[in-house]
Amino acid sequence: QVQVVESGGGVVQPGKSLRLSCAASGFSFSNYATQWVRQAPGKGLEWVAFISSDQVKKLYADSVKGRFTISRDDSKNTLYLQMNSLRAEDTAVYYCARIWFGYYYMDVWGKGTTVTVSS
Amino acid sequence: QTVVTQEPSFSVSPGGTVTLTCGLSSGSVSTSHYPSWYQQIPGQAPRTLIYSTDSRSSGVPDRFSGSILGNKAALTIAGAQADDESDYYCVLYMGAAFWVFGGGTRLTVL
Repeated sequence: QVQVVESGGGVVQPGKSLRLSCAASGFSFSNYATQWVRQAPGKGLEWVAFISSDQVKKLYADSVKGRFTISRDDSKNTLYLQMNSLRAEDTAVYYCARIWFGYYYMDVWGKGTTVTVSS
Repeated sequence: QTVVTQEPSFSVSPGGTVTLTCGLSSGSVSTSHYPSWYQQIPGQAPRTLIYSTDSRSSGVPDRFSGSILGNKAALTIAGAQADDESDYYCVLYMGAAFWVFGGGTRLTVL
């Protein structure tokens, strides 16, 4: 079964760090680009970060640039999001999504992991 | 800055047909933007409905269809059912591995 499962969310104080993981299964993870998308409480979906299948290209939303780092370990079939200097506005559900590059869309989504930044 | 526009809310009667649209703050949406549509029931993960303008994702009923209408992408739901009541998001591919999400449309079936 093709799926991605996020983990690592929690409650963290402003200025602290957190690392999210996204474990992929049922497909050849190394062949796919993936990205993180988040959704703040009561808000819409917001793109966060992208990583290409060959890890050469990494892109970030302006709102997280310089604070978040996307990476992947293909030997573990896992995508990561290192989040530093967290702010209250980073509070959201974070989703991992596989990208089908042939048609440029997100075809597999995880159920998400919740990050709450609060003192 | 590129902004993808969607109707904030829409309502449809059970059994009726509704068309949600997805536009650009400047310019027209075309098939080159590979419009995709996602359904999200509040509290759940997004579900892919439509990709590359008009292709249905696996398992999506043919009541859902995508198209380009004028200068916008469109999602049409025919024979609306109670469980179609959800948020619907449009996403456009802007090239160079850059996607822009619309703000979403909350569809009410009543």
